Parts: sequence; C-alpha cells; structure tokens
Amino acid sequence: EADIYQTPRYLVIGTGKKITLECSQTMGHDKMYWYQQDPGMELHLIHYSYGVNSTEKGDLSSESTVSRIRTEHFPLTLESARPSHTSQYLCASSNPSGGGTDTQYFGPGTRLTVL
Amino acid sequence: AQSVTQLGSHVSVSEGALVLLRCNYSSSVPPYLFWYVQYPNQGLQLLLKYTSAATLVKGINGFEAEFKKSETSFHLTKPSAHMSDAAEYFCAVSESGGFKTIFGAGTRLFVKA
Repeated sequence: EADIYQTPRYLVIGTGKKITLECSQTMGHDKMYWYQQDPGMELHLIHYSYGVNSTEKGDLSSESTVSRIRTEHFPLTLESARPSHTSQYLCASSNPSGGGTDTQYFGPGTRLTVL
Repeated sequence: AQSVTQLGSHVSVSEGALVLLRCNYSSSVPPYLFWYVQYPNQGLQLLLKYTSAATLVKGINGFEAEFKKSETSFHLTKPSAHMSDAAEYFCAVSESGGFKTIFGAGTRLFVKA
C-alpha cells in the first residue's frame, strides 16, 4: 500500500480564493508529480520534481505553482482560483529505477470545485 | 512523441467472462508500458509493467498483458472477471531514459452479476 497522502480530499471554494493542495509521501521518493484528471481525458502532468529545490512545469499549461522544500512534501498552490480550475488533482511519487521504468505511487486525489 | 490510445471508454462484461482492455501506443524508441487501475475514490495503483524483458507480463489480481511490437499494442486481459474488478484502467507509456509517463484516457470496466 502506497504511503502518499493528499489533503483536502474535497474542496469547494469561491472564485478568486488562494488555495494550497497538500501532498506528502513517507517513502523517501525523490521524484514527485502533480496530475490533473478530468473524466474521459488523459491524465495531464502539470508539475514535477526531481528532488528538493527542483521543480518543472509539465505538458499541460497550468496557472498553479509548486514548491519542494522537503523531500516528503510537494504542495500545489493556486493564487486565484477560477471555475476553469475545477478538476481532480492527483499527486504521485516514484524512485528512480532505470530511466522510464519507474512505478508511480498515487495519492487518493483532491477533487476541487471552484464556484 | 509518445502517445497512448485506449479503445473503448467503457467495457461491460459478465462475471466470469473474459476481460479484454485494449491499448495501442506510439513511441519512436523502445517503450516501457504500464497498466494502472483506479478504484472509486482512490489513486491509481500499478497492475503490471513491461520493461523489455518477457513480452507476456503477469500482474496482480490475475491480470496479464502482452507486448506486441508489430501491432504496437499492450492489451490487458483476465480470463474470468470478478465483481471486484470493476474500476477504471489506464494504459501508460514512457521511453527509455525518459522522465515523463504518458497516460491514456482510461477504460471503465463494468462487471455484471
């Protein structure tokens, strides 16, 4: 069972609010990821990190930002939420096992609704 | 560029029947291929992965998948469906030396009693 946690699980907020989605893992993994998941669509990588103080934007343009100050923690922040940000956000982590073969471990997700 | 196509957004089978979930990939270099499963209100978890060893890969819960280079396919099968198999299944591809994993849109499996 994966030891990766996301809070909150569900969040309903109004437009313009600043929010932070939390993600923590206790496996000591170097790599962490944020995906956006919408029904019937591919998972889209929005941010990733190779390790502490390393963050990169993914393929899907996102107005969110991330930080990686500690190995186990990878929070995602939206400075001003909009209805277009309504989605499910999945956090994942992995340990390098030979380029491209990493198994990713996923958290349960945060379902965000912006009114 | 890599891509994954899962044929059929929904598949319905009867309990005890064969499960077949289709996945085709596109990759310019030898790929690594994965199947993940997502149960309701949970994150994805790995079912199995192909990393250029045996082309027939066995995973958890009785699932297996066969890598067919000539067909650029990696279909997931299970001989006999169980009610507990009802979930969403994602096929994914990454490239040797690469960092990113590309996920398909998912196939939701329904199992009828």
